[in-house]
Amino acid sequence: DAGVIQSPRHEVTEMGQEVTLRCKPISGHDYLFWYRQTMMRGLELLIYFNNNVPIDDSGMPEDRFSAKMPNASFSTLKIQPSEPRDSAVYFCASSLVLEFSTQETQYFGPGTRLLVL
Amino acid sequence: LAKTTQPISMDSYEGQEVNITCSHNNIATNDYITWYQQFPSQGPRFIIQGYKTKVTNEVASLFIPADRKSSTLSLPRVSLSDTAVYYCLVGRGGGNKLTFGTGTQLKVEL
Repeated sequence: DAGVIQSPRHEVTEMGQEVTLRCKPISGHDYLFWYRQTMMRGLELLIYFNNNVPIDDSGMPEDRFSAKMPNASFSTLKIQPSEPRDSAVYFCASSLVLEFSTQETQYFGPGTRLLVL
Repeated sequence: LAKTTQPISMDSYEGQEVNITCSHNNIATNDYITWYQQFPSQGPRFIIQGYKTKVTNEVASLFIPADRKSSTLSLPRVSLSDTAVYYCLVGRGGGNKLTFGTGTQLKVEL
């Protein structure tokens, strides 16, 4: 498997513009997670999905952020309008839940480095 | 979610054994302990997981005392390539979310 795929790898945009980050999870994985990482706040969970349904979006910072998962192989994280403080690395991760299993391993993508000017 | 506490940074030299201890005083009965490794410009990567006693794989060992209020990640004979941030996480299965702390920045020198 190619692992979790994210695009773009780098994004530079101007304040006020819309930004869309994309993620393709590992095939067969039924959980998908979006994280944001900054020097100040570390790695934060923004939202996660189970079988394409959002389960917990309590980490989404503001209404400017939205995430969708239209099917099992694709998810987007959108920021509209973007602000300089949104500059960070955004990671997507996926996992396979096994009944009565241990804590599932999350597989992370390479991340999207976003810079909002 | 159980909170974890680990050292912010550690320094070591090539060939030495490195032990990173994590405290998780309010760990729940069903919680597992998992360690992830993150290199610069990459996403975190699973290293090892355990529930109690000792777990060993090809990369590391995990020691968990009987009270499970702490755990120690042991990296044998580290090399420069082991320079990374190491995260200790505590949680259950069933798709429950993980909470990453600040991690431990390990720096290995010659």
